Amino acid sequence: QSVLTQPPSVSGAPGQRVTISCTGSSSNIGAGYNVHWYQQLPGTAPKLLIYGNSNRPSGVPDRFSGSKSGTSASLAITGLQAEDEADYYCQSYDSSLSGYVFGTGTKVTVL
Amino acid sequence: EVQLVESGGGLVKPGGSLRLSCAASGFTFSNAWMSWVRQAPGKGLEWVGRIKSKTDGGTTDYAAPVKGRFTISRDDSKNTLYLQMNSLKTEDTAVYYCTTRRKYCSSTSCYFPFDYWGQGTLVTVSS
Repeated sequence: QSVLTQPPSVSGAPGQRVTISCTGSSSNIGAGYNVHWYQQLPGTAPKLLIYGNSNRPSGVPDRFSGSKSGTSASLAITGLQAEDEADYYCQSYDSSLSGYVFGTGTKVTVL
Repeated sequence: EVQLVESGGGLVKPGGSLRLSCAASGFTFSNAWMSWVRQAPGKGLEWVGRIKSKTDGGTTDYAAPVKGRFTISRDDSKNTLYLQMNSLKTEDTAVYYCTTRRKYCSSTSCYFPFDYWGQGTLVTVSS
């Protein structure tokens, strides 16, 4: 099972703001390891959305933003759009497991 | 253009073996740290394991559920990554993706998220 915990689902109306939390521990996020976020549309491979806690790759809209504090990280989507309906995963490294870890995943629904 | 193309998936009985391949192009494969990530039907992403570049030691690391059963290897002359899966269990049923890091640097730090992904290959373990 994953060591990074996310809410199973979040929802919002178009134009609203939603946030997704990613809760870890002292062996991963709390140890200073960076958090990356991925968006996965149905039937497709994950796509990098945020790297290094808060940085957007070229081409990712600035509606997406990330932050990290202590043993947790968050992804915010402002101005929610229908095309944002997808699964979102956080990812980091865990020193006690000596490997990469993904969050449990969050399904975003646009009402 | 970076391309990762997995192959080798299919139906296998519990206890059986399967070898997946991932053909890479569009980047210097020999310098890349490569990983396998899987996703069981309707479930989340799970990191399976990683192999470093030979210049960085070529060592492998595995997630606990597959350690001792799965082996990752690479053939830099063929730009190909492999995942040898033995003693397969029903819980290994998943889409298997190969992925590699991309280096992003800011003014203060560099980061290595998984930025390139294949399309995935389905492995079904069932009697």
